[in-house]
Amino acid sequence: DTAVSQTPKYLVTQMGNDKSIKCEQNLGHDTMYWYKQDSKKFLKIMFSYNNKELIINETVPNRFSPKSPDKAHLNLHINSLELGDSAVYFCASSQGGVNSPLHFGNGTRLTVT
Amino acid sequence: GIQVEQSPPDLILQEGANSTLRCNFSDSVNNLQWFHQNPWGQLINLFYIPSGTKQNGRLSATTVATERYSLLYISSSQTTDSGVYFCAVITGGGNKLTFGTGTQLKVEL
Repeated sequence: DTAVSQTPKYLVTQMGNDKSIKCEQNLGHDTMYWYKQDSKKFLKIMFSYNNKELIINETVPNRFSPKSPDKAHLNLHINSLELGDSAVYFCASSQGGVNSPLHFGNGTRLTVT
Repeated sequence: GIQVEQSPPDLILQEGANSTLRCNFSDSVNNLQWFHQNPWGQLINLFYIPSGTKQNGRLSATTVATERYSLLYISSSQTTDSGVYFCAVITGGGNKLTFGTGTQLKVEL
């Protein structure tokens, strides 16, 4: 009965490859997010969708493209991976927009070699 | 943008001890949340507390929005409390949750 689930948990790939991370939530929430946690554990928002509509798009390279096929899913596709993309990526969701409790998935650790 | 500072950055406790973690922010907020990231990397929402006081078991939190700070109290700490504690805020009219730098807590036997 996982609330916010991400796959894969670990992703090891080479520079230049394209990869995707999938996220699904079964909480019935209408807002979903992608966060990036760097090696110093700093968390920063990348994207946010509300009912499949993009509402937050931070200063993120356009190699990163989110896709929300429905309000329960938010996937992240990354093109031409670079060493600096290595991080832990967290999906999250909330109900009723940003001013409500945030629930995180377990994270995807991406390592680019 | 808003600055969110947490103190102390690191804390070591003996099991059973109490502690207070602090979160200071540089602007007025209408959303403040506390999270625990356990040693396995999972991020758990502890409190949604833009103002006032809440309690959940051995944990409680107080936000004094007018003075721009929030406190997280951990009583009778246990080894399972180890991990990083983050506060995160949204300023009035904003739409992005800004995270603090975290407090790394280790509870020892």
